[in-house]
Amino acid sequence: DAKTTQPNSMESNEEEPVHLPCNHSTISGTDYIHWYRQLPSQGPEYVIHGLTSNVNNRMASLAIAEDRKSSTLILHRATLRDAAVYYCILRDVRSSNTGKLIFGQGTTLQVKP
Amino acid sequence: GAVVSQHPSRVICKSGTSVKIECRSLDFQATTMFWYRQFPKQSLMLMATSNEGSKATYEQGVEKDKFLINHASLTLSTLTVTSAHPEDSSFYICSARDPVTSGNTIYFGEGSWLTVV
Repeated sequence: DAKTTQPNSMESNEEEPVHLPCNHSTISGTDYIHWYRQLPSQGPEYVIHGLTSNVNNRMASLAIAEDRKSSTLILHRATLRDAAVYYCILRDVRSSNTGKLIFGQGTTLQVKP
Repeated sequence: GAVVSQHPSRVICKSGTSVKIECRSLDFQATTMFWYRQFPKQSLMLMATSNEGSKATYEQGVEKDKFLINHASLTLSTLTVTSAHPEDSSFYICSARDPVTSGNTIYFGEGSWLTVV
């Protein structure tokens, strides 16, 4: 699986938008971009995923660069409960039936009241 | 939505004993489940792929005789840490893929804290 690069940590103020970047310059045409987050002492939680087009769901938005070499997870209004480690993971659609995910170090998001 | 559940959430065992952790998919069938371990302040490390009705596939460096995996049904996989030692103390997490949902969403269990004393 291609590698992703994320900042180690970011800070945000409560009720402000947060933009979490992810670089994946070696992404292949068959790689989906997945985001998961992990709250303290819990298993990871699915956030969003996309292939080429921007995606929105109730949790977040995913903005994908035109060349797909980077993407940004957008939390529209951060709350204290959004404080977590956010993982950007590439997953090849050809192996999507396996469910195997390889985690990097992720970005630790701190939300200040 | 789909839920993956682990049991126990916390367990303490004595050095040299074995401990079993269960992973269940509650409302979908999972032919494949995955086991991860996570040390404090570190990311998740994939240990093995659990295949229903066949042997597990272990990642490089993971001892298959120490971490026994059984996937006897489409909703249950178990991880047994044999002859546990203090260095096996960790957060163990399982995941499973729901083949029905769009994009093959993967769901994770709540995790199980293992402390070996």
